Amino acid sequence: AQSVTQPDIHITVSEGASLELRCNYSYGATPYLFWYVQSPGQGLQLLLKYFSGDTLVQGIKGFEAEFKRSQSSFNLRKPSVHWSDAAEYFCAVASSNTGNQFYFGTGTSLTVIP
Amino acid sequence: KAGVTQTPRYLIKTRGQQVTLSCSPISGHRSVSWYQQTPGQGLQFLFEYFSETQRNKGNFPGRFSGRQFSNSRSEMNVSTLELGDSALYLCASSRGGRGTDTQYFGPGTRLTVL
Repeated sequence: AQSVTQPDIHITVSEGASLELRCNYSYGATPYLFWYVQSPGQGLQLLLKYFSGDTLVQGIKGFEAEFKRSQSSFNLRKPSVHWSDAAEYFCAVASSNTGNQFYFGTGTSLTVIP
Repeated sequence: KAGVTQTPRYLIKTRGQQVTLSCSPISGHRSVSWYQQTPGQGLQFLFEYFSETQRNKGNFPGRFSGRQFSNSRSEMNVSTLELGDSALYLCASSRGGRGTDTQYFGPGTRLTVL
């Protein structure tokens, strides 16, 4: 069965510090991987996606993620966090076998302290 | 280009009632998916519609149903509401076609069942 694990429920970082949010997936087929961000009371905004090709993908707002097949991971990184990055972050996986049925992790809540 | 819109944004219902939620996808998008988001279960896939046909379905009881119109707008209906149906219901649209495509989410409808 497909599943996504985000081991960190909550992370606190100082503004200007680097950030890494972890995502591990369990999937039999070639995965399509996504990171979304959700601000309070809002829907999900796509940060970046990986379908194939270069395993380091760049997204919006200065985020990047690296797909590591050997580790079944797709960690999200940002070199310098801004206070406006405080939000909930979700990793999601899908595949050609499941079409547009996305499987989401439980999310990581990010707090940014000044 | 306008994003995904959902109406209403907030709903309060009582147990046993039924409710209909509406979703208008991004212009040109033919696939609409619905997700339920709760603090306990996270984001769970309900179903996907493409060209007025249900293409994919998650593990929800038959009280949850949907449909899609010829203009790709979609509605989701929940009958005989239960307290546990209180959630944020998110709609996502994508271009459609075969395989997996990037999904763009609306702001959601917050349903409270009393």
